[in-house]
Amino acid sequence: EIVLTQSPDTLSLSPGDRATLSCRASQSVINNFLGWYQQTPGQAPRLLIYAASSRAAGVPARFSGSGSGTDFTLTISRLEPEDFAVYYCQQYTAVSEMTFGQGTRLDIK
Amino acid sequence: VQLVQSGAEMKKPGSSVKVSCKAFGDRFTSSTFGWVRQAPGQSLEWVGRINPPLNFTTYAQKFQGRVTITADRSTTTIFLEIGGLRSDDTAVYYCAKRRGNFFDPWGQGTQVTVSS
Repeated sequence: EIVLTQSPDTLSLSPGDRATLSCRASQSVINNFLGWYQQTPGQAPRLLIYAASSRAAGVPARFSGSGSGTDFTLTISRLEPEDFAVYYCQQYTAVSEMTFGQGTRLDIK
Repeated sequence: VQLVQSGAEMKKPGSSVKVSCKAFGDRFTSSTFGWVRQAPGQSLEWVGRINPPLNFTTYAQKFQGRVTITADRSTTTIFLEIGGLRSDDTAVYYCAKRRGNFFDPWGQGTQVTVSS
């Protein structure tokens, strides 16, 4: 099973700042089957990025994904108040299906 | 597609629970749906999935034998049944539509609490 490790656990920034979140896989993620989700308190997760770098429908352009192999990054170019949430990365393999990272909490500084 | 789940459940250890997820919109018969759970303060954990047209299911290894996912095409509803409930099954259970190898959209979640 591929283990995803996200860093940092918590990131404290201010509105208008740039946020960089990392997701590292224990083995290479095949075909860039890596996605990012946003979860606000009491809400279901929302898909932001799929296939490492493609934005899901309705996701603002300030969100971008990059990376390949074992190292992936979610970047939020200029933080808006509604972006302070928990972010999870997720990968897929045919053997173990889906696994998720432990999450990065993005807090207002 | 919009996914609407059943309400919160409170169960005793050793009992069973069945959670439903109704899909509104088209493409039910050409979609795959999955279940993901989230224990209090924890990350997300994939439970399993179903392809309704084929009734084909796949489960995460840790849930095999204790979890059953079914679908009713006539009501466009997906079900998750968990037997032999334990306290560590306490979690919010989400259904979601599979989009490629990701989940989008998600249901609102169903709280399942297991306590004596």
